[in-house]
Amino acid sequence: EPEVTQTPSHQVTQMGQEVILHCVPISNHLYFYWYRQILGQKVEFLVSFYNNEISEKSEIFDDQFSVERPDGSNFTLKIRSTKLEDSAMYFCASRAGTAYNEQFFGPGTRLTVL
Amino acid sequence: GENVEQHPSTLSVQEGDSAVIKCTYSDSASNYFPWYKQELGKGPQLIIDIRSNVGEKKDQRIAVTLNKTAKHFSLHITETQPEDSAVYFCAARLYSSASKIIFGSGTRLSIRP
Repeated sequence: EPEVTQTPSHQVTQMGQEVILHCVPISNHLYFYWYRQILGQKVEFLVSFYNNEISEKSEIFDDQFSVERPDGSNFTLKIRSTKLEDSAMYFCASRAGTAYNEQFFGPGTRLTVL
Repeated sequence: GENVEQHPSTLSVQEGDSAVIKCTYSDSASNYFPWYKQELGKGPQLIIDIRSNVGEKKDQRIAVTLNKTAKHFSLHITETQPEDSAVYFCAARLYSSASKIIFGSGTRLSIRP
């Protein structure tokens, strides 16, 4: 069964450093998402991406965040200058074309900012 | 924007008994309501969903109900088993090209043997 994969599973970084989180969505999916979950809290939407551009972003997704689909298979989330409060689990998700299609979530990357 | 409230935050039931988790949503334009199960160290996995033109849906031991007027929806798990222990999230989605999901705060369900 196809699945969304994410690497690394755990990333530790120093405050102020740049991090890039990697995702490989399910092939032939057209919509891509990043969500985050701070420990013990709800899963929060960050950004959606379609047709090589951002289609929607939340208030959390400020200028420090960016997304890219560099080669047609990977989907990355970059945080330019990490803050302590960026520590969270980051989930990538992908969806096929029609509106009611399920979003499939990856296993997540745990980001720890020290 | 949409806001989803979920109760209870923790729930412990005896194996074999039923579990019920309740959610409310705020945006009447939301028209799709998925439920996710999250096991330790994994991402959310869809277990059942319901569209706004349906009042109830059942899949084996799992059922969901939706009251559009009251903006309530619920998850019912019958004949609970140890493998049902997990965190469950309700969610709402507005039909749009982006179709972002708004999650509830989660319910940690524990099944007592």
